Amino acid sequence: KNQVEQSPQSLIILEGKNCTLQCNYTVSPFSNLRWYKQDTGRGPVSLTIMTFSENTKSNGRYTATLDADTKQSSLHITASQLSDSASYICVVSDRGSTLGRLYFGRGTQLTVWP
Amino acid sequence: EADIYQTPRYLVIGTGKKITLECSQTMGHDKMYWYQQDPGMELHLIHYSYGVNSTEKGDLSSESTVSRIRTEHFPLTLESARPSHTSQYLCASSHRGPNEKLFFGSGTQLSVL
Repeated sequence: KNQVEQSPQSLIILEGKNCTLQCNYTVSPFSNLRWYKQDTGRGPVSLTIMTFSENTKSNGRYTATLDADTKQSSLHITASQLSDSASYICVVSDRGSTLGRLYFGRGTQLTVWP
Repeated sequence: EADIYQTPRYLVIGTGKKITLECSQTMGHDKMYWYQQDPGMELHLIHYSYGVNSTEKGDLSSESTVSRIRTEHFPLTLESARPSHTSQYLCASSHRGPNEKLFFGSGTQLSVL
C-alpha cells in the first residue's frame, strides 16, 4: 500500500534554533517528492520538489534531502523564525499515470516560540 | 506568488442547500484539482481535470460535481449540503508534466449546520 508517514506529529522549538522533520514513504514507482508549508487556514505553498536523481535541494533556510534507496526524506530548517510556525507536508508522486498521483502525509505541526 | 483564487473563504449554510465553490487561476494551467482536508489529516483528492471538458472523480467518494468549461475556471457544486460535508476545500492547479509545481488556493472553509 502506498503511504507517506511523517514524524514527529508536532514539534515546538525556540526562535533561532534548527530543526529537522522526517518523511518515510512506500510509494512505488517513485517519481518525485515535495515538501509544502501550510499556514493555518491557508493553502499549502511549495518549498521543494526532488526527483529520483536529486538528493538535496535548498530554498532559503529550508533544505530537503532525499534517500531514494531507503525511501526517506528530511526537511531541515535553519535559524527558525516565528513565521516558520506552520504545518509541513511531505507529498510523494508516483509514475503510474500521466497525472502522477500524489500521496500526502498528515504533516508535522511546527510551533516556533520567541 | 500563486495566481489561483477561491471564493468564498468561509461559508456557513443550512442542510439541504445547494452551493457552488468557485476556483479560478490565471496561470494558463491545464490541470486543476479539488482536495478536501480535515484538521490534522492529509489532503484527499475529490475531483481533477486535465483540461476543458475533462473531469474525473478522485480517490475520496464525494457527492459533489465539477465542471471545466473554461481553462481558468473549475467550480465545485454540492446539490444538497449535509453536516458531513463540513470541511476545508482546497483548489489547486499545475502545468502538465509529472514534476510541475502544484499551486493551491487559500481554500474555502465550509460549515453545514
